[in-house]
Amino acid sequence: EVQLVESGGGLVKPGGSLRLFCAASGFTFSSYEMDWVRQAPGRGLEWVSSVSSTSDYIYYADSVRGRFTVSRDNAKNSLFLQMNSLRADDTALYYCARGGYDHNAPIDYWGQGTLVTVSS
Amino acid sequence: DIVMTQSPDSLAVSLGERATINCKSSQSVLYSSNNKNYLAWYQQKPGQPPRLLIYWASTRESGVPDRFSGSGSGTDFTLTISSLQAEDVAVYYCQQYYNTPFTFGPGTKVEIK
Repeated sequence: EVQLVESGGGLVKPGGSLRLFCAASGFTFSSYEMDWVRQAPGRGLEWVSSVSSTSDYIYYADSVRGRFTVSRDNAKNSLFLQMNSLRADDTALYYCARGGYDHNAPIDYWGQGTLVTVSS
Repeated sequence: DIVMTQSPDSLAVSLGERATINCKSSQSVLYSSNNKNYLAWYQQKPGQPPRLLIYWASTRESGVPDRFSGSGSGTDFTLTISSLQAEDVAVYYCQQYYNTPFTFGPGTKVEIK
């Protein structure tokens, strides 16, 4: 059974940093592109970032480029999102999600999410 | 960026009746070399993560009831629930995965009339 479990969320002041973590299991992690998608309270879904299976290709939404860094450790079946210079509009539930073997693929599994709140 | 729009914003349908949700992309998501539409539909129930329903615009994900179907090509797409069940109350999102950023529509809320 595919499982994606996020952690690392919490309350942080504007300008602060946070590192999100996603533990993956139940599939061959190293074969899949992985994504971060966020959802502000009461709002829709926003794709944040994708990292290819070997980390050769990394993509970011304009809203986070230069502030967020995605990475993965295939040996530990782990996905990370380093978030710096956080702003109030980064407040959201952050989902770890599985893409496909290729970049242009739908998301077929989602974690339960970890909540990030940016507030003074 | 490809902008995704959905209509209506919400709809209320009687149990057993048909629900139809429309999705439009600001540019074509049809890749001519393989004739595939890079368009997915997701269902999100309150307090839950999204669930993949349909990909390649019309391919049903494993385990998804056959009352859910997707259609359309190019820039115009439709998700149809042929006979609405109580458990289908949710917000439905379309998403294009043709180009980064992989943009989502704003969502359509489906309720029981």
